Amino acid sequence: DAGVIQSPRHEVTEMGQEVTLRCKPISGHDYLFWYRQTMMRGLELLIYFNNNVPIDDSGMPEDRFSAKMPNASFSTLKIQPSEPRDSAVYFCASRHRHEQYFGPGTRLTVT
Amino acid sequence: QQQVKQSPQSLIVQKGGISIINCAYENTAFDYFPWYQQFPGKGPALLIAIRPDVSEKKEGRFTISFNKSAKQFSLHIMDSQPGDSATYFCAAGISGSARQLTFGSGTQLTVLP
Repeated sequence: DAGVIQSPRHEVTEMGQEVTLRCKPISGHDYLFWYRQTMMRGLELLIYFNNNVPIDDSGMPEDRFSAKMPNASFSTLKIQPSEPRDSAVYFCASRHRHEQYFGPGTRLTVT
Repeated sequence: QQQVKQSPQSLIVQKGGISIINCAYENTAFDYFPWYQQFPGKGPALLIAIRPDVSEKKEGRFTISFNKSAKQFSLHIMDSQPGDSATYFCAAGISGSARQLTFGSGTQLTVLP
Protein backbone atom coordinates (compact mmCIF):
# COMPACT_ATOMS: atom_id res chain seq x y z
CA ASP A 1 0.00 0.00 0.00
CA ALA A 2 1.19 3.52 -0.76
CA GLY A 3 0.22 4.79 2.67
CA VAL A 4 -1.84 7.88 3.33
CA ILE A 5 -1.64 10.28 0.42
CA GLN A 6 -2.03 14.01 0.79
CA SER A 7 -2.09 16.77 -1.78
CA PRO A 8 -0.81 19.29 -2.35
CA ARG A 9 2.41 18.93 -0.35
CA HIS A 10 2.89 22.67 -0.27
CA GLU A 11 0.37 25.44 -0.68
CA VAL A 12 1.02 29.16 -0.68
CA THR A 13 -1.99 31.42 -0.89
CA GLU A 14 -3.05 34.94 -0.12
CA MET A 15 -5.25 35.89 2.76
CA GLY A 16 -8.92 35.61 1.89
CA GLN A 17 -8.49 32.86 -0.64
CA GLU A 18 -10.11 29.44 -0.38
CA VAL A 19 -7.80 26.52 0.32
CA THR A 20 -8.65 22.85 -0.17
CA LEU A 21 -6.47 20.10 1.20
CA ARG A 22 -6.95 16.53 0.06
CA CYS A 23 -6.40 13.14 1.59
CA LYS A 24 -6.59 9.55 0.46
CA PRO A 25 -6.53 7.16 3.42
CA ILE A 26 -5.13 3.66 3.44
CA SER A 27 -7.60 1.24 1.91
CA GLY A 28 -9.62 -0.62 4.52
CA HIS A 29 -9.03 1.88 7.31
CA ASP A 30 -12.28 2.95 8.92
CA TYR A 31 -11.14 6.09 10.73
CA LEU A 32 -9.76 9.28 9.23
CA PHE A 33 -8.26 12.17 11.19
CA TRP A 34 -7.24 15.70 10.29
CA TYR A 35 -4.52 17.32 12.42
CA ARG A 36 -2.79 20.68 12.40
CA GLN A 37 0.79 21.07 13.59
CA THR A 38 2.45 24.33 14.59
CA MET A 39 5.46 25.16 16.71
CA MET A 40 3.32 26.96 19.24
CA ARG A 41 0.46 24.50 19.64
CA GLY A 42 2.00 21.20 18.63
CA LEU A 43 -0.21 18.53 17.07
CA GLU A 44 -3.90 19.42 17.28
CA LEU A 45 -6.77 17.18 16.25
CA LEU A 46 -9.24 19.10 14.11
CA ILE A 47 -11.85 16.50 13.17
CA TYR A 48 -12.21 12.78 12.68
CA PHE A 49 -14.49 10.49 10.71
CA ASN A 50 -15.62 6.92 11.23
CA ASN A 51 -16.88 5.10 8.14
CA ASN A 52 -17.11 8.45 6.33
CA VAL A 53 -19.27 10.04 9.07
CA PRO A 54 -17.89 13.00 11.05
CA ILE A 55 -17.73 12.00 14.70
CA ASP A 56 -16.06 14.89 16.48
CA ASP A 57 -15.33 18.29 14.97
CA SER A 58 -14.78 20.09 18.25
CA GLY A 59 -11.19 20.81 17.27
CA MET A 60 -12.12 22.79 14.20
CA PRO A 61 -11.02 26.28 15.14
CA GLU A 62 -13.67 28.33 13.35
CA ASP A 63 -16.53 28.15 10.90
CA ARG A 64 -14.00 29.00 8.23
CA PHE A 65 -12.87 25.38 8.46
CA SER A 66 -14.92 22.54 7.03
CA ALA A 67 -14.19 18.90 6.23
CA LYS A 68 -15.92 16.29 4.16
CA MET A 69 -15.51 12.61 3.46
CA PRO A 70 -17.74 11.72 0.50
CA ASN A 71 -16.45 8.17 0.32
CA ALA A 72 -14.05 5.78 2.01
CA SER A 73 -11.12 6.78 -0.17
CA PHE A 74 -11.23 10.57 -0.12
CA SER A 75 -11.49 13.47 2.29
CA THR A 76 -11.05 17.21 2.03
CA LEU A 77 -10.31 19.97 4.51
CA LYS A 78 -11.35 23.39 3.33
CA ILE A 79 -10.48 26.80 4.73
CA GLN A 80 -12.55 29.70 3.45
CA PRO A 81 -11.47 32.45 3.76
CA SER A 82 -7.89 31.69 4.75
CA GLU A 83 -5.95 33.85 7.20
CA PRO A 84 -2.20 34.12 7.96
CA ARG A 85 -2.75 32.40 11.34
CA ASP A 86 -3.90 29.30 9.47
CA SER A 87 -0.32 28.78 8.31
CA ALA A 88 0.70 25.33 9.57
CA VAL A 89 1.34 21.78 8.47
CA TYR A 90 -1.90 19.85 8.08
CA PHE A 91 -1.78 16.09 8.46
CA CYS A 92 -4.29 13.48 7.52
CA ALA A 93 -4.13 10.11 9.27
CA SER A 94 -6.09 6.92 8.89
CA ARG A 95 -6.54 4.22 11.45
CA HIS A 96 -7.15 0.54 11.60
CA ARG A 97 -7.84 -0.84 15.06
CA HIS A 98 -5.65 1.41 17.25
CA GLU A 99 -2.75 2.24 14.96
CA GLN A 100 -2.82 5.59 13.24
CA TYR A 101 -0.85 6.13 10.06
CA PHE A 102 -0.04 9.67 9.10
CA GLY A 103 0.33 11.16 5.66
CA PRO A 104 3.30 13.34 4.69
CA GLY A 105 1.37 16.52 5.41
CA THR A 106 0.52 19.71 3.54
CA ARG A 107 2.53 22.77 4.45
CA LEU A 108 0.17 25.73 4.15
CA THR A 109 1.45 29.29 4.04
CA VAL A 110 -1.07 32.11 3.99
CA THR A 111 0.43 35.49 3.18
CA GLN B 1 -7.87 14.75 32.42
CA GLN B 2 -7.28 14.01 28.76
CA GLN B 3 -3.87 15.65 28.78
CA VAL B 4 -0.62 13.78 28.25
CA LYS B 5 2.41 15.63 29.57
CA GLN B 6 5.73 15.00 27.86
CA SER B 7 9.25 15.96 28.88
CA PRO B 8 11.81 17.14 28.10
CA GLN B 9 10.94 19.49 25.28
CA SER B 10 14.37 18.98 23.75
CA LEU B 11 17.20 16.54 24.35
CA ILE B 12 20.79 16.40 23.15
CA VAL B 13 22.65 13.12 23.46
CA GLN B 14 26.04 11.93 22.32
CA LYS B 15 26.25 9.07 19.86
CA GLY B 16 26.10 5.78 21.72
CA GLY B 17 24.31 7.29 24.71
CA ILE B 18 20.87 6.56 26.09
CA SER B 19 17.99 8.89 25.26
CA ILE B 20 15.10 8.95 27.71
CA ILE B 21 11.77 10.69 27.12
CA ASN B 22 9.04 10.69 29.72
CA CYS B 23 5.26 11.00 29.60
CA ALA B 24 2.58 11.18 32.25
CA TYR B 25 -1.19 10.91 32.02
CA GLU B 26 -4.19 11.38 34.26
CA ASN B 27 -6.99 9.42 32.66
CA THR B 28 -6.89 5.90 34.08
CA ALA B 29 -9.09 4.70 31.23
CA PHE B 30 -6.13 4.97 28.84
CA ASP B 31 -4.89 1.52 27.93
CA TYR B 32 -2.92 2.01 24.73
CA PHE B 33 0.32 4.00 24.67
CA PRO B 34 2.10 4.47 21.34
CA TRP B 35 5.20 6.46 20.52
CA TYR B 36 5.59 8.25 17.22
CA GLN B 37 8.76 9.40 15.50
CA GLN B 38 8.73 12.39 13.16
CA PHE B 39 11.54 13.46 10.87
CA PRO B 40 11.60 16.98 9.41
CA GLY B 41 9.20 17.32 6.52
CA LYS B 42 7.52 14.00 7.24
CA GLY B 43 4.43 12.86 9.08
CA PRO B 44 4.67 11.13 12.46
CA ALA B 45 5.29 7.40 12.12
CA LEU B 46 4.35 4.76 14.67
CA LEU B 47 7.51 3.57 16.40
CA ILE B 48 6.43 1.28 19.21
CA ALA B 49 3.37 0.84 21.43
CA ILE B 50 2.56 -0.76 24.76
CA ARG B 51 -0.51 -1.84 26.70
CA PRO B 52 -0.65 -1.68 30.51
CA ASP B 53 -0.66 -5.43 30.98
CA VAL B 54 3.13 -5.37 30.58
CA SER B 55 5.69 -3.14 32.24
CA GLU B 56 8.17 -3.10 29.40
CA LYS B 57 8.31 -3.65 25.66
CA LYS B 58 11.47 -3.75 23.62
CA GLU B 59 11.96 -3.51 19.88
CA GLY B 60 15.57 -3.33 18.86
CA ARG B 61 17.18 -0.31 20.47
CA PHE B 62 13.81 1.14 21.51
CA THR B 63 12.19 0.25 24.82
CA ILE B 64 8.98 1.48 26.42
CA SER B 65 8.80 1.30 30.20
CA PHE B 66 5.35 1.56 31.76
CA ASN B 67 4.46 2.35 35.38
CA LYS B 68 0.74 1.93 35.82
CA SER B 69 0.60 3.03 39.46
CA ALA B 70 2.48 6.24 38.70
CA LYS B 71 0.60 6.74 35.43
CA GLN B 72 3.86 7.28 33.62
CA PHE B 73 5.57 5.74 30.63
CA SER B 74 8.87 6.42 28.97
CA LEU B 75 10.82 5.75 25.81
CA HIS B 76 14.43 4.66 26.06
CA ILE B 77 16.66 4.70 23.01
CA MET B 78 19.77 2.65 23.61
CA ASP B 79 23.00 3.26 21.69
CA SER B 80 21.51 6.44 20.22
CA GLN B 81 22.57 7.22 16.66
CA PRO B 82 22.58 10.47 14.66
CA GLY B 83 19.87 8.90 12.49
CA ASP B 84 17.61 8.84 15.55
CA SER B 85 17.56 12.64 15.56
CA ALA B 86 13.87 13.45 15.22
CA THR B 87 10.87 14.65 17.19
CA TYR B 88 9.24 12.01 19.35
CA PHE B 89 5.61 12.10 20.46
CA CYS B 90 4.00 9.96 23.09
CA ALA B 91 0.26 9.36 22.95
CA ALA B 92 -2.48 7.63 24.87
CA GLY B 93 -5.76 6.09 23.82
CA ILE B 94 -8.59 3.82 24.89
CA SER B 95 -8.98 0.39 23.31
CA GLY B 96 -12.25 -0.33 21.62
CA SER B 97 -13.18 3.30 21.74
CA ALA B 98 -13.99 5.63 18.92
CA ARG B 99 -12.01 8.29 20.72
CA GLN B 100 -8.87 9.62 19.22
CA LEU B 101 -5.35 9.45 20.59
CA THR B 102 -4.21 12.19 22.93
CA PHE B 103 -0.71 13.32 21.98
CA GLY B 104 2.07 14.74 24.09
CA SER B 105 3.75 17.99 23.08
CA GLY B 106 6.78 16.31 21.52
CA THR B 107 10.50 16.02 22.28
CA GLN B 108 13.10 17.15 19.78
CA LEU B 109 16.01 14.72 20.03
CA THR B 110 19.43 15.56 18.64
CA VAL B 111 22.10 12.89 18.66
CA LEU B 112 25.55 14.32 18.17
CA PRO B 113 28.06 12.35 16.08
